[in-house]
Amino acid sequence: DAGVIQSPRHEVTEMGQEVTLRCKPISGHDYLFWYRQTMMRGLELLIYFNNNVPIDDSGMPEDRFSAKMPNASFSTLKIQPSEPRDSAVYFCASKRTGSGPQHFGDGTRLSIL
Amino acid sequence: AQSVTQLDSQVPVFEEAPVELRCNYSSSVSVYLFWYVQYPNQGLQLLLKYLSGSTLVKGINGFEAEFNKSQTSFHLRKPSVHISDTAEYFCAVSDMLNSGYSTLTFGKGTMLLVSP
Repeated sequence: DAGVIQSPRHEVTEMGQEVTLRCKPISGHDYLFWYRQTMMRGLELLIYFNNNVPIDDSGMPEDRFSAKMPNASFSTLKIQPSEPRDSAVYFCASKRTGSGPQHFGDGTRLSIL
Repeated sequence: AQSVTQLDSQVPVFEEAPVELRCNYSSSVSVYLFWYVQYPNQGLQLLLKYLSGSTLVKGINGFEAEFNKSQTSFHLRKPSVHISDTAEYFCAVSDMLNSGYSTLTFGKGTMLLVSP
């Protein structure tokens, strides 16, 4: 089975530009999570969805961040406008309802210049 | 609210030596516990999990962990490490109050550095 697929793997862009990160969860998983990882703050949960519905977005840092899940096989995390402090590795993870673990993608390394 | 403390940010060890990575958690209810490993430039990969039953849990790559409810600990051990075990290790906890076991609270990670 394919794992969680994230794209792009790397993104370098200038401050003020719009950035869109993409995630395809594992088929059959009904939970999807977006995390951000930095040296200073570690791994932070930004938002998660259940059955395509956002459940908790309290981790989203500012209104510049938005996430959508238009269907069970696709989600986006958008930053507009981007700032240098948004530079981080962004992970997507998915899981089935129940006691099973979360499965992580390989992440998107984002650099805002 | 639950929390996870990984007491060591870095653990240096020589190849073939044993290692223990410490994890303590706080929660007022029953928990599920996980250890994940992150190799450079990769995502987090599940090493092992404790859901219920035997308190000694065996995972991939020769790792094991023991759940100790009285000490609220879930320490990770390996009797003999390899160079390839060099990575960052994350302990995570989930409980019923935390969105019905849906979300995880992660520790800040422990970097295991194995040298020849």
